[in-house]
Amino acid sequence: NAGVTQTPKFQVLKTGQSMTLQCAQDMNHEYMSWYRQDPGMGLRLIHYSVGAGITDQGEVPNGYNVSRSTTEDFPLRLLSAAPSQTSVYFCASSRGYVGSYNEQFFGPGTRLTVL
Amino acid sequence: GIQVEQSPPDLILQEGANSTLRCNFSDSVNNLQWFHQNPWGQLINLFYIPSGTKQNGRLSATTVATERYSLLYISSSQTTDSGVYFCAVDATGTASKLTFGTGTRLQVTL
Repeated sequence: NAGVTQTPKFQVLKTGQSMTLQCAQDMNHEYMSWYRQDPGMGLRLIHYSVGAGITDQGEVPNGYNVSRSTTEDFPLRLLSAAPSQTSVYFCASSRGYVGSYNEQFFGPGTRLTVL
Repeated sequence: GIQVEQSPPDLILQEGANSTLRCNFSDSVNNLQWFHQNPWGQLINLFYIPSGTKQNGRLSATTVATERYSLLYISSSQTTDSGVYFCAVDATGTASKLTFGTGTRLQVTL
């Protein structure tokens, strides 16, 4: 298994540009999440999904859209990038939320800079 | 929402020393995980430990759920242990949503 994969690894955008961060997992996990990590801080939840077709907002959802058309993929869209969205983005997945199914596994991250 | 506090914020050790990292949380949890973020930014799962004690080589962790804290023990530290250690919890019981602490930055020197 490749686990959780993310593309691209690095990206530089200009203010106002749009882009999609890709996330895929091959573990047949139902739950997927997006987090952002700002310098010197822990990760904060942006959006999450409990299954195909179901998404919800996390702690810091403004400026981001998500969709979940398949179990495997969970893309994160920035419609109009702002410098405040400069961050490292992590995607995570888990089998579920009951017992040890709740354990989350993280991708390698995407480092995004918005100029 | 739930609050997660980690201590100490920074720690410098000589190789071979032992250390204890602490994570306090403000509510009952159904998930607690410890991660190591290496200098390249990768998040590595160390323990899934909402309660009890686990050991993996030189690392062990204990969570006392009734008293709302968890401890991560690192024994015989090595330079490869350097990085940031995060505690993260989920208190929702309805979805897998982690709340992270601000981490303990560990530097192991020769």
